[in-house]
Amino acid sequence: DQQVKQNSPSLSVQEGRISILNCDYTNSMFDYFLWYKKYPAEGPTFLISISSIKDKNEDGRFTVFLNKSAKHLSLHIVPSQPGDSAVYFCAASGNRDDKIIFGKGTRLHILP
Amino acid sequence: DAMVIQNPRYQVTQFGKPVTLSCSQTLNHNVMYWYQQKSSQAPKLLFHYYDKDFNNEADTPDNFQSRRPNTSFCFLDIRSPGLGDAAMYLCATSRDDGSYYNEQFFGPGTRLTVL
Repeated sequence: DQQVKQNSPSLSVQEGRISILNCDYTNSMFDYFLWYKKYPAEGPTFLISISSIKDKNEDGRFTVFLNKSAKHLSLHIVPSQPGDSAVYFCAASGNRDDKIIFGKGTRLHILP
Repeated sequence: DAMVIQNPRYQVTQFGKPVTLSCSQTLNHNVMYWYQQKSSQAPKLLFHYYDKDFNNEADTPDNFQSRRPNTSFCFLDIRSPGLGDAAMYLCATSRDDGSYYNEQFFGPGTRLTVL
């Protein structure tokens, strides 16, 4: 019973174009959402987050959009760069919990 | 640099032979977590320590135990590893400073192989 779903295992995007990674969740108690990035042989590193009181949060090339009614969030990377090739995990937390629930991840390939 | 360190990075054990994975942190964070991640799956929380308070996930098998002798160190003990326990084990830390959400910092993981 996955509470956080990333339905695309992989995504290939041309360098310089926009990368859009999608995530759906089922638990309406989630009120904080995060994206983590993971390179091979390294642990996940925090990328960007959004609280449920917002619908957009931007940090440089990275923007996260939240659609609460659809229980959907997306991560936009523009322009995409070779160093963005990694696995991206969507995660969610609720009720001021110390725990976060991860999705399975989407592997992003940036093509030259 | 402040960091989360996991040793060893790769661990091979035999079916049923106890194994211990270690995690240390120089961040002085009060919360430490152990996750299990199988291939192409989401990292799954096994348990976490809030200071010395141990919080076990309901579906974590009894075969998995943990110790946190001090703030800096946390151990994952697998008492009788089965083939299904082969996975990447990730340690993470966070600092509860009263913020609404506290970012988790991950170590590089230990990949466990069970023969």
